[in-house]
Amino acid sequence: GENVEQHPSTLSVQEGDSAVIKCTYSDSASNYFPWYKQELGKRPQLIIDIRSNVGEKKDQRIAVTLNKTAKHFSLHITETQPEDSAVYFCAAGYSSNTGKLIFGQGTTLQVKP
Amino acid sequence: SAVISQKPSRDICQRGTSLTIQCQVDSQVTMMFWYRQQPGQSLTLIATANQGSEATYESGFVIDKFPISRPNLTFSTLTVSNMSPEDSSIYLCSVGTGGREKLFFGSGTQLSVL
Repeated sequence: GENVEQHPSTLSVQEGDSAVIKCTYSDSASNYFPWYKQELGKRPQLIIDIRSNVGEKKDQRIAVTLNKTAKHFSLHITETQPEDSAVYFCAAGYSSNTGKLIFGQGTTLQVKP
Repeated sequence: SAVISQKPSRDICQRGTSLTIQCQVDSQVTMMFWYRQQPGQSLTLIATANQGSEATYESGFVIDKFPISRPNLTFSTLTVSNMSPEDSSIYLCSVGTGGREKLFFGSGTQLSVL
């Protein structure tokens, strides 16, 4: 079955720096890749997603890139702010059933003021 | 996005008992999903709940342990049966309408089993 590996498990950056989180997936049939942000004690929130027909997608300070050949995708956060501190999860699935996702292990991002 | 309400938000239960978690959505949705998040861990899909048919369980999860109901297009329940401390987790209801729709999570139920 599908397996998603996420790195690093923890990431600490200074406010204003960039943060990059990387994920690899095993199932070449996967074509839907969302990213979720989970603040302490709260539900996971979808922050951005990408489908396999595009290589990059941006939304203000957040961007996601996808390399289908290498089966990896990355989350890029620029100009980080303390409120970006949270656990970030990548996931992989199929656009025909976006509810059935395989999640990575999570990355705890700490942005130091 | 849909508004997804879960009850209870948290509970502390005794070993061997059962707890039923309710999930209510403010709009009709085709599919509802139940996820588990063990302490400090990632999210794992338990089952997919479709209205009018039996739930589809993922590997490692069985109906006797996690019976699910889906009586209509806005409501579902997940029961955690014969609980043990290993069942202590956050249980999350989520919804998507299939196709190119996105997945949104409910507020979660934090379960502690003593």
